Amino acid sequence: DTEVTQTPKHLVMGMTNKKSLKCEQHMGHRAMYWYKQKAKKPPELMFVYSYEKLSINESVPSRFSPECPNSSLLNLHLHALQPEDSALYLCASSQDWPGPDTQYFGPGTRLTVL
Amino acid sequence: DAKTTQPPSMDCAEGRAANLPCNHSTISGNEYVYWYRQIHSQGPQYIIHGLKNNETNEMASLIITEDRKSSTLILPHATLRDTAVYYCIAIPSYSGAGSYQLTFGKGTKLSVIP
Repeated sequence: DTEVTQTPKHLVMGMTNKKSLKCEQHMGHRAMYWYKQKAKKPPELMFVYSYEKLSINESVPSRFSPECPNSSLLNLHLHALQPEDSALYLCASSQDWPGPDTQYFGPGTRLTVL
Repeated sequence: DAKTTQPPSMDCAEGRAANLPCNHSTISGNEYVYWYRQIHSQGPQYIIHGLKNNETNEMASLIITEDRKSSTLILPHATLRDTAVYYCIAIPSYSGAGSYQLTFGKGTKLSVIP
């Protein structure tokens, strides 16, 4: 099973709302990632978790708060977002980090901030 | 990390081989060439990777030139479902050789035409 699941598929939120994105994998991978993809642009890395610890934060604003409760689960908590944060948010996992391991991506959550 | 360059778009007739080029003239001997693709509104999908030798799997073949300055991804019998953006990415094979982060360029938009 090489599946990464993400919920919800779509999310619409106001600038004062608090919401969370969820990502799950059951491949036994120890590394998990969040990417952001704006329309017609390539994905950009936001965060990397390795063994449930944050390894990389690509200078992401604090209104995005990642959490890795266990090795299979990755959350992205959203608070006070701006309309320009509207994008496709992608989760991925790989066997290990750091390392040149293949990353497996979920289908993404399409976020619209009003 | 080596920078890769790809043509922005290509067309391929359904049932024919799709040959997608990637130039990586500054790649080091310690960097893999990875290929991912992203079908519209889905997460990126791993296709294949190689270091020096040509590689083949159930999805595609990867031909790397002897000087490693360029490579070609071959989809032997393209179908409409292969319409996607294809990304060629150089990733170090060991620690200290650079960043393991997936840095997606603009990729090649492949359109498979009926």
